[in-house]
Amino acid sequence: KAGVTQTPRYLIKTRGQQVTLSCSPISGHRSVSWYQQTPGQGLQFLFEYFSETQRNKGNFPGRFSGRQFSNSRSEMNVSTLELGDSALYLCASSLMGREYEQYFGPGTRLTVT
Amino acid sequence: GESVGLHLPTLSVQEGDNSIINCAYSNSASDYFIWYKQESGKGPQFIIDIRSNMDKRQGQRVTVLLNKTVKHLSLQIAATQPGDSAVYFCAENRDDKIIFGKGTRLHILP
Repeated sequence: KAGVTQTPRYLIKTRGQQVTLSCSPISGHRSVSWYQQTPGQGLQFLFEYFSETQRNKGNFPGRFSGRQFSNSRSEMNVSTLELGDSALYLCASSLMGREYEQYFGPGTRLTVT
Repeated sequence: GESVGLHLPTLSVQEGDNSIINCAYSNSASDYFIWYKQESGKGPQFIIDIRSNMDKRQGQRVTVLLNKTVKHLSLQIAATQPGDSAVYFCAENRDDKIIFGKGTRLHILP
């Protein structure tokens, strides 16, 4: 079974721009979560989607948004990028009822200059 | 605030010895505690979980211990191998969110 895939793997953007990251979960996994990972703050939960609905949200500003499609693929968007948004953005999928057992993709490394 | 944290940022262990990675938590309402491993350049990988009503759970070469009295979680890795070199995160499932600790880097000495 193919793992979680994320595109692109690397991205360089300028302050004020917006960015869209994509995630394809493992086949059969309907829950998709997004995390931001930085050296200072560690792994922080952004949001979780299930059946095209946002089920949970972390403590991030409204510039961070996401969505999920009917095939469970998910995208996250960050608008008006700030330098502090530079991070590794990780997507994870899980089976219904086993959301604690997350399968992570390799991440998208976003650098904001 | 409530958080999941690690006692040590770095742990060095001789190859073949057992490793013990510790974690303290503050929220008693969590129903699951989980350990993840993250190798360089990769996303975290699920290792093992333990329900809050259990004290111990064993997997392949790993054992997780949960002490609810002192709110302490540990991961024991038997016969540590070079492939165990990674950052290990404890995490808790709380309010349907996975809250991760800061991580412990495990170094394997030859």
